[in-house]
Amino acid sequence: GAVVSQHPSWVICKSGTSVKIECRSLDFQATTMFWYRQFPKQSLMLMATSNEGSKATYEQGVEKDKFLINHASLTLSTLTVTSAHPEDSSFYICSGLFLGGSSYNEQFFGPGTRLTVL
Amino acid sequence: GDSVTQMEGPVTLSEEAFLTINCTYTATGYPSLFWYVQYPGEGLQLLLKATKADDKGSNKGFEATYRKETTSFHLEKGSVQVSDSAVYFCALSDRNQGGKLIFGQGTELSVKP
Repeated sequence: GAVVSQHPSWVICKSGTSVKIECRSLDFQATTMFWYRQFPKQSLMLMATSNEGSKATYEQGVEKDKFLINHASLTLSTLTVTSAHPEDSSFYICSGLFLGGSSYNEQFFGPGTRLTVL
Repeated sequence: GDSVTQMEGPVTLSEEAFLTINCTYTATGYPSLFWYVQYPGEGLQLLLKATKADDKGSNKGFEATYRKETTSFHLEKGSVQVSDSAVYFCALSDRNQGGKLIFGQGTELSVKP
C-alpha cells in the first residue's frame, strides 16, 4: 500500500508556543490530505480537509486560526498548532487520499504525532 | 447524515476464540466500507475493505461482508491471537463526499493467552 509519514512522532512544548507537524505522502501524490485528532480511547475526529494549492476546509467547531494547514505540494501538508495550550494535547493523525480510479478512493494514514503541551 | 455504529468494547477473548465485532451504517449513497486497526501508540492501518454490496473483504484471517440489506459490515475472525489485541474501527466513505471517512467509535479488543 501507499505510505504516509509524519514528523515529528512526538513533541512536547510549552504553553503559548507553536508547533508544526508535517505529513508526507512518500510514494504517491496526494491532492487531498486529511487531518484528524484523536483523544485517548476515542475515535478519530476529522479536523480539516487539505487540498493542494488551495485553502483547507475545516470541520464545524475547529478553529482555523488556531490550526493552520498548508498544502503547498502534492506530497506535503503541514498542520501548525498556534499558541498551544494544554487542552490541545492530543494525538494528531494525517492521511493522504489515494485516487483509485472508478471504484473507490482510499486514505492512507500516517503513524500519528503525539503532542503534549505543558 | 451518514454514520457508523460499532458494538461497544472492550471485548476480551481467550486465544483461539471466535471474534465478531458488529458494525452497522447509515448512508444515503453507495459507500465503500472499511475496517481499520490501530495498535497502541500507532496510526491506523487498513485491515480490509469492500466497495460494493455482497463484496467480502479479507486479510490476515479477518473477514467482513458488505450487506446492503442489513446495512452491516461485521468483522469476524475464526481464531484470534494475542497479537490481534488492538482497537478496531469500522468506517465508510462516500465517493460523493470527496473521500471523507466516517468512523465508528472503535472497539477495543484484548486477547488473553
